[in-house]
Amino acid sequence: DAGVIQSPRHEVTEMGQEVTLRCKPISGHNSLFWYRQTMMRGLELLIYFNNNVPIDDSGMPEDRFSAKMPNASFSTLKIQPSEPRDSAVYFCASSPDRGQNSPLHFGNGTRLTVT
Amino acid sequence: GQQVMQIPQYQHVQEGEDFTTYCNSSTTLSNIQWYKQRPGGHPVFLIQLVKSGEVKKQKRLTFQFGEAKKNSSLHITATQTTDVGTYFCAGGGGNFNKFYFGSGTKLNVKP
Repeated sequence: DAGVIQSPRHEVTEMGQEVTLRCKPISGHNSLFWYRQTMMRGLELLIYFNNNVPIDDSGMPEDRFSAKMPNASFSTLKIQPSEPRDSAVYFCASSPDRGQNSPLHFGNGTRLTVT
Repeated sequence: GQQVMQIPQYQHVQEGEDFTTYCNSSTTLSNIQWYKQRPGGHPVFLIQLVKSGEVKKQKRLTFQFGEAKKNSSLHITATQTTDVGTYFCAGGGGNFNKFYFGSGTKLNVKP
């Protein structure tokens, strides 16, 4: 079990640039979550998918943020254009089913710095 | 939306002392999960509580779920330096396993 794989681990970019974060969930998991972690706001749920379908994107902060899950083994979170306040650690997590009692398995995160 | 509050924000203890973090929700929770995040790491699942009044133990860690399913606690007996990290509760669940994380309690253990 390779766990949830995120790339890149670190991303430094200039304000206005497009940023794409990538996630490969654990094979067989059919729920995928994107979280953002900052000192000020803690762990925020941005969006989650079930069977590749976005279920709730109410946590996405602005239209600059978008997420896709084209297949069961890949998801992206895109920020366009990026701003300094988007600097945070972005985590992807997956869980095995849509049931109520499933642990979330987190990836190592992508630390994004926007200058 | 659902809010999960967690206190204290920070806790500094001497190795061997006990530690407790508390989690409170504004609404009744389907279940509650606890996670530990080491410095520079990612949250790692510890345990899940589902039943009202449930108590579970993992070695020196004791987890409780309140009778009204609105609060929970994590107690560590005789802390060790390996317990250092941030402990998060996450309340929710429901049909799509949607969890709201508390703000976390950062534990520092002095040897």
